[in-house]
Amino acid sequence: AQSVSQHNHHVILSEAASLELGCNYSYGGTVNLFWYVQYPGQHLQLLLKYFSGDPLVKGIKGFEAEFIKSKFSFNLRKPSVQWSDTAEYFCAVNVYSSASKIIFGSGTRLSIRP
Amino acid sequence: DTGVSQDPRHKITKRGQNVTFRCDPISEHNRLYWYRQTLGQGPEFLTYFQNEAQLEKSRLLSDRFSAERPKGSFSTLEIQRTEQGDSAMYLCASSLGRSDTEAFFGQGTRLTVV
Repeated sequence: AQSVSQHNHHVILSEAASLELGCNYSYGGTVNLFWYVQYPGQHLQLLLKYFSGDPLVKGIKGFEAEFIKSKFSFNLRKPSVQWSDTAEYFCAVNVYSSASKIIFGSGTRLSIRP
Repeated sequence: DTGVSQDPRHKITKRGQNVTFRCDPISEHNRLYWYRQTLGQGPEFLTYFQNEAQLEKSRLLSDRFSAERPKGSFSTLEIQRTEQGDSAMYLCASSLGRSDTEAFFGQGTRLTVV
């Protein structure tokens, strides 16, 4: 069965610090990969997605993620965080061939100190 | 707003009562998902529909839960004989159902069972 692991449950950074959130998935076939963000009191929004092609994908608000197939990883990065990045971040995966259910990780809460 | 719409936003019910939630997906989306999210966790998959057909149900979905999408448009999720453990945010999402598309989420319905 597919699963997604996010090892950082809570990350606290100061403004302008660099960010990297880890995500690993378990599935041997072709996958679609996503990062969703949930700002306080708001619904889940897509941050970025990988379907195929360049393994380095860029999303909104300066975020990017790199798909490393050999490591089953899809880590999220941002070179300089802002206070407004305070949110919960979820990595997710689904199987490419069937476009089936999307499986989410448990999330990483990001707190930015102003 | 042409996004995914959920109703009600909040529901407080007494243990043992039945509740029903509604989801209106983005109009051209043929795939509809239900998820449950509790505090500090990622969304957990419950079930999904391709048009009016319910294609998969999670083992989390006990016999007290039933979902329908009668005309392939809106969907309802009913919980019978609610228990305190059912308290959670219930999320609906929709997508075009192709391999290269993401899911769009609604604001959710927060259920509190007292």
